[in-house]
Amino acid sequence: DTEVTQTPKHLVMGMTNKKSLKCEQHMGHRAMYWYKQKAKKPPELMFVYSYEKLSINESVPSRFSPECPNSSLLNLHLHALQPEDSALYLCASSPYSEGNQPQHFGDGTRLSIL
Amino acid sequence: AQSVAQPEDQVNVAEGNPLTVKCTYSVSGNPYLFWYVQYPNRGLQFLLKYITGDNLVKGSYGFEAEFNKSQTSFHLKKPSALVSDSALYFCAPFIYNQGGKLIFGQGTELSVKP
Repeated sequence: DTEVTQTPKHLVMGMTNKKSLKCEQHMGHRAMYWYKQKAKKPPELMFVYSYEKLSINESVPSRFSPECPNSSLLNLHLHALQPEDSALYLCASSPYSEGNQPQHFGDGTRLSIL
Repeated sequence: AQSVAQPEDQVNVAEGNPLTVKCTYSVSGNPYLFWYVQYPNRGLQFLLKYITGDNLVKGSYGFEAEFNKSQTSFHLKKPSALVSDSALYFCAPFIYNQGGKLIFGQGTELSVKP
C-alpha cells in the first residue's frame, strides 16, 4: 500500500473542462512534488512545494495550476488542456526537499484528454 | 549539462541468474544517488540510495548497488533474479542546482523469464 494517496485514479476530460487532481500524505513530509510521466518514460518534474511554498516550477504551462492548502495536501488544477497533456500524473513527498531522503510516490492519476 | 545514462533499454535474465542494470552519470559535485522501480500501473518505489560511505549499498527486495566514483557509475545488482523483479528501473541522481531535484535516467525494462 502506498502512503501517498492520489485521486482520482483515472480522469477523462475534454479540452474545455476544468478539473483537479488531489494528493494527500500523512507522513509529516514537508516537501511535495508533481510529476508527469508518459508511458515507458521517466517522470518529468513539474512543481515542487517546500513547507507549503512553491519552490520549483519547471516552466510548466499555465493551464496547470498547483496549490498546496496545507502540509498534507497538494492539488493540481487543470484547465483547457491539450491532447498532448494525456499522461500519468504522479505526486510524491519527502521529509524535506534537500534531497538525501527518498521520495515516496503515489500510484498516479491517469489523465486522458479528448 | 547534467545527465544520467542507462545504456540498456531492456535487460533479459533467466530466473535464478544474477542481474545488473547499469547507470552512469555526469553531475557536478557529489550527488546523492537513488534507484527506483516501477511496476505496471503503479507509482515509483524507492529501492536504495548512496549518500556517502561504503561503496556497496544494500536495499529492498535483495537489491544492491555499487558506487564507483572514478567511473561515475552506480550499477544496480541482484545475485539471483526472480520473475517478480520484472519491472521498469530508474537511476536518479539528486542535483542541487536549479533548486534541487532528481534527474531520472531513461529507464531500463527488466524481464526475468522462468
